[in-house]
Amino acid sequence: GAGVSQTPSNKVTEKGKYVELRCDPISGHTALYWYRQSLGQGPEFLIYFQGTGAADDSGLPNDRFFAVRPEGSVSTLKIQRTERGDSAVYLCASSPAGGRGNTIYFGEGSWLTVV
Amino acid sequence: GNSVTQMEGPVTLSEEAFLTINCTYTATGYPSLFWYVQYPGEGLQLLLKATKADDKGSNKGFEATYRKETTSFHLEKGSVQVSDSAVYFCALVPSGGSYIPTFGRGTSLIVHP
Repeated sequence: GAGVSQTPSNKVTEKGKYVELRCDPISGHTALYWYRQSLGQGPEFLIYFQGTGAADDSGLPNDRFFAVRPEGSVSTLKIQRTERGDSAVYLCASSPAGGRGNTIYFGEGSWLTVV
Repeated sequence: GNSVTQMEGPVTLSEEAFLTINCTYTATGYPSLFWYVQYPGEGLQLLLKATKADDKGSNKGFEATYRKETTSFHLEKGSVQVSDSAVYFCALVPSGGSYIPTFGRGTSLIVHP
């Protein structure tokens, strides 16, 4: 497909388990973003990749969260020792390049529920 | 830091009514400003944008003007349709640093026939 693809679309996990969320950006987009969205809130920034490197990870809430993008395309967001407060929609977005006027394109999100 | 403030929803209108959704921002320099829309069951998508002061973004009958003096980017539409029912997010991208988009909390619009 031509858009940003995220898997799984829904994930239910038990508290304390490890979770991986995958993002496949639009082909050729070098910039990739992860956001988290809670009910009734706007997207909250987590981490930004330019190519393979994390250019800005200032939004990661703690060291249970980390993300990789080893080949500059697909990215995986990893959450260790999940907590109920991690329940949210995790959004991935990509852009042709980072920049002031660039539009970012979102996937449909991965709904994570921690029980 | 950078922030975006949107009016609280839901905004409930009858079809063909005039729409305004207020958005103000806080940022240094000259950010770019965006409106994104999220239709039910879909991901966020760009509605319109403006990259400098006094620019007007427009799309699908929606308009917003970048007002530097009032730090605002209010969304307007002259005649809404039921199909416009969605959540609308105002966002900014700063003029420096990592160019990370910052979003408002969203405003839900419900249009009745």
